[in-house]
Amino acid sequence: AQSVTQLDSQVPVFEEAPVELRCNYSSSVSVYLFWYVQYPNQGLQLLLKYLSGSTLVKGINGFEAEFNKSQTSFHLRKPSVHISDTAEYFCAVSPPQGGGNKLTFGTGTQLKVEL
Amino acid sequence: EAGVAQSPRYKIIEKRQSVAFWCNPISGHATLYWYQQILGQGPKLLIQFQNNGVVDDSQLPKDRFSAERLKGVDSTLKIQPAKLEDSAVYLCASSLGGGVGNEQFFGPGTRLTVL
Repeated sequence: AQSVTQLDSQVPVFEEAPVELRCNYSSSVSVYLFWYVQYPNQGLQLLLKYLSGSTLVKGINGFEAEFNKSQTSFHLRKPSVHISDTAEYFCAVSPPQGGGNKLTFGTGTQLKVEL
Repeated sequence: EAGVAQSPRYKIIEKRQSVAFWCNPISGHATLYWYQQILGQGPKLLIQFQNNGVVDDSQLPKDRFSAERLKGVDSTLKIQPAKLEDSAVYLCASSLGGGVGNEQFFGPGTRLTVL
C-alpha cells in the first residue's frame, strides 16, 4: 500500500517570493508521483507528474518538482509566486503496475499568496 | 473540448434521506472515477469504472453507497440512507484509459451537506 504525507497544511508567502511545498511518500514498490492544484469551487487540475526519466519535472504555470528516491520525496517549487497561485495543492501517488491508475492523495497544502 | 460535468453542485439533505449525484465524463473517456473529499482531507477513491464495468470498488461503503455507469458513459452515485459523516465533496473524474499514468480530468464536484 502507498501513502502520502504533506506536512504543511498551510503555507503563507508574499507575492514574487519563492515557495516549496513538501511531499513525502511511503511505498514498498516504486510509484508514479503527481501534483494537482484545486482552485476554490473547482475540480482538481494536474500540475505535473513523474513517471520515469529525469528526476526534475516541469509543469504548468511555472511549477517544477524533483523526485528524490533516497528521501522518498517529491517537493513542489516555484521561484516566484503570483496572487493567482493561491489554491490548495495535493500530492498523489499511483502504483506503476496493477493499480488500475488508482491515485492516493495527501491531505493537501493551502498556499496563500499575499501582497 | 467540454470538461467533466457534474450535477447538482450543492445538495443539503437530512440524515437518513437518499441522494443521487450525476456525472458526464469527457467524450471518449473509457474510465470514470468517483472520489469522496472530506473537509481537510485529500480525495479518496470510492469506485472506478472501465466502460460499464467496475474495476475497483474496495473503498465504497456498499451498505449505503451504490454507483452505476449504464452504457459506459454517464454515471450516477447514490447514497441511501445518508449519514452525517457523508458530508463531503463528491468528485467525478475521467481518463482516456485505465492504465497507470493516464491523466485524470476532474469535474467541479458536488458538495453534500447532511444535517
